[in-house]
Amino acid sequence: GENVEQHPSTLSVQEGDSAVIKCTYSDSASNYFPWYKQELGKRPQLIIDIRSNVGEKKDQRIAVTLNKTAKHFSLHITETQPEDSAVYFCAALLNQAGTALIFGKGTTLSVSS
Amino acid sequence: DTEVTQTPKHLVMGMTNKKSLKCEQHMGHRAMYWYKQKAKKPPELMFVYSYEKLSINESVPSRFSPECPNSSLLNLHLHALQPEDSALYLCASSQFDSNQPQHFGDGTRLSIL
Repeated sequence: GENVEQHPSTLSVQEGDSAVIKCTYSDSASNYFPWYKQELGKRPQLIIDIRSNVGEKKDQRIAVTLNKTAKHFSLHITETQPEDSAVYFCAALLNQAGTALIFGKGTTLSVSS
Repeated sequence: DTEVTQTPKHLVMGMTNKKSLKCEQHMGHRAMYWYKQKAKKPPELMFVYSYEKLSINESVPSRFSPECPNSSLLNLHLHALQPEDSALYLCASSQFDSNQPQHFGDGTRLSIL
């Protein structure tokens, strides 16, 4: 089955700095990779996703890169703000009927002003 | 605003009680999911319904019983739960069950006395 490793587990940055979170997956058949942000006491919220036919995707201050050969994908947040502080989860999905998301263990991002 | 609505938001029950969690979406999604999330952990998949049929049961104990009455509704019936079942129960939906973004509800925070 699929396994997703996520690093680091905690990340502290100063406001305005960039933050990078990395994930690796084990099954080369995985073809969909979403990132979720979860604030304390709230639901996981989809912030960006990428499919295996694309190498990079950007949405304002957030970008995701995918390296299919190395089986890793990364979340990049530029110009971080205190409201970016949250737990971030990466996930991978196998493109087979009846399968579902496998999540990484999460990264707690703290942005100090 | 979330497009996946879960009720109740909080539930406290004894180990001999029977209760139900409810989830509703009106986005026309044909796949719906139940996840369990413990504090500081990623969501863990419990069940997947695709076109109102159960397609995945991740070895969940029989004290949890899912039901999908129609394409918009998903229930989780609870009976004889254990203290270790205390967690946040998240419902999610996606257009189909593969390669599609999953959108989460706010969850039901369940406490077992």
